[in-house]
Amino acid sequence: EDQVTQSPEALRLQEGESSSLNCSYTVSGLRGLFWYRQDPGKGPEFLFTLYSAGEEKEKERLKATLTKKESFLHITAPKPEDSATYLCAVQAWDYGGSQGNLIFGKGTKLSVKP
Amino acid sequence: DGGITQSPKYLFRKEGQNVTLSCEQNLNHDAMYWYRQDPGQGLRLIYYSQIVNDFQKGDIAEGYSVSREKKESFPLTVTSAQKNPTAFYLCASRSVWGASTEAFFGQGTRLTVV
Repeated sequence: EDQVTQSPEALRLQEGESSSLNCSYTVSGLRGLFWYRQDPGKGPEFLFTLYSAGEEKEKERLKATLTKKESFLHITAPKPEDSATYLCAVQAWDYGGSQGNLIFGKGTKLSVKP
Repeated sequence: DGGITQSPKYLFRKEGQNVTLSCEQNLNHDAMYWYRQDPGQGLRLIYYSQIVNDFQKGDIAEGYSVSREKKESFPLTVTSAQKNPTAFYLCASRSVWGASTEAFFGQGTRLTVV
């Protein structure tokens, strides 16, 4: 069964303290891995798509990387405005299972204190 | 501006009442989705549609119904058969052509049973 697990569930950082969020996945064949940011009471906002192991994408203080089993979202020198829940999702090629739909992890709630 | 519009933002339902959540997109996407989000549960797929006049059940379809009469619209009805409807509901759309593509989300509807 296709599955996505995110860790940790919650992460508290001081402003400027760099860290990483993990997304482990099990799929029959990865078509794409997605990172989203979600603020309280809002819909998820798209950040990155990664397609193959070794790929990296960057946006401001965020950098996403991908291996064959997991993805990391690295946050460098975070600011309080980076506080949000970060969601990971995968899409598989397995049309007999998840029908190509996105499978979401439960998210990591990041809090950055000034 | 292109995007997905969900309405209303807040909705209150009495016991035994059916309510309908609206979702409209002007992104020309073929696929549309409804997710339910509960604290600590992540996003769970209710229904999805990849083409007009066709839709499929997701993981938690019981007590919900949908229609897809137009490409732009995918309303969700929460019926009285749904025993625990209080949740945050998210609508999304994505293109199904080409490489794996990200889903775009609306701002959500918070449904509360009173």
